[in-house]
Amino acid sequence: DTGVSQNPRHKITKRGQNVTFRCDPISEHNRLYWYRQTLGQGPEFLTYFQNEAQLEKSRLLSDRFSAERPKGSFSTLEIQRTEQGDSAMYLCASSPIPRSDGYTFGSGTRLTVV
Amino acid sequence: AQSVTQLDSQVPVFEEAPVELRCNYSSSVSVYLFWYVQYPNQGLQLLLKYLSGSTLVKGINGFEAEFNKSQTSFHLRKPSVHISDTAEYFCAASGGSYIPTFGRGTSLIVHP
Repeated sequence: DTGVSQNPRHKITKRGQNVTFRCDPISEHNRLYWYRQTLGQGPEFLTYFQNEAQLEKSRLLSDRFSAERPKGSFSTLEIQRTEQGDSAMYLCASSPIPRSDGYTFGSGTRLTVV
Repeated sequence: AQSVTQLDSQVPVFEEAPVELRCNYSSSVSVYLFWYVQYPNQGLQLLLKYLSGSTLVKGINGFEAEFNKSQTSFHLRKPSVHISDTAEYFCAASGGSYIPTFGRGTSLIVHP
């Protein structure tokens, strides 16, 4: 197992376009988290899944954002009608349950909206 | 939800000097604490974690942290830093929901 994988690493898109990011967690990890990180800030929680169920969403996750985790494996995060304020690093992490035994992060997808 | 405060946005230090990066968290019945390091354009790498037991936690790359429940602190220390330790350091806390909340980060700058 090679850890948490995120694709693409970088994405440049024009304002108004839709984008989709993918995260492949560590295979035996039940929980999967999405975070957003803007320049000079710590990661901010967006949403998390336990297996295929999306259990919590942050108020940061506007209606233009949607996340899925079909079959409890990989997850996708889609942003519709992108805005310049969406430019950020999107980080994915996974962890086993029930203990909070550490969260393994991927390398992130850096989104630039022009 | 937990809140995490990293008191210093930037810490400059000379190579081979000791360093302490400060972190305070909001009180909770149960709390799990973490320190992560982030190099430019990279994801976060776990340095160490406190789940329970001994309050002094040792991590990778010679870092250690001490959990202080009365002061709700989890400060990160290293007795002698290297140039390669220059990076952004994040403290994180999670409670019963197991959703980690991160601080704003501390930029450690090691000068030769």
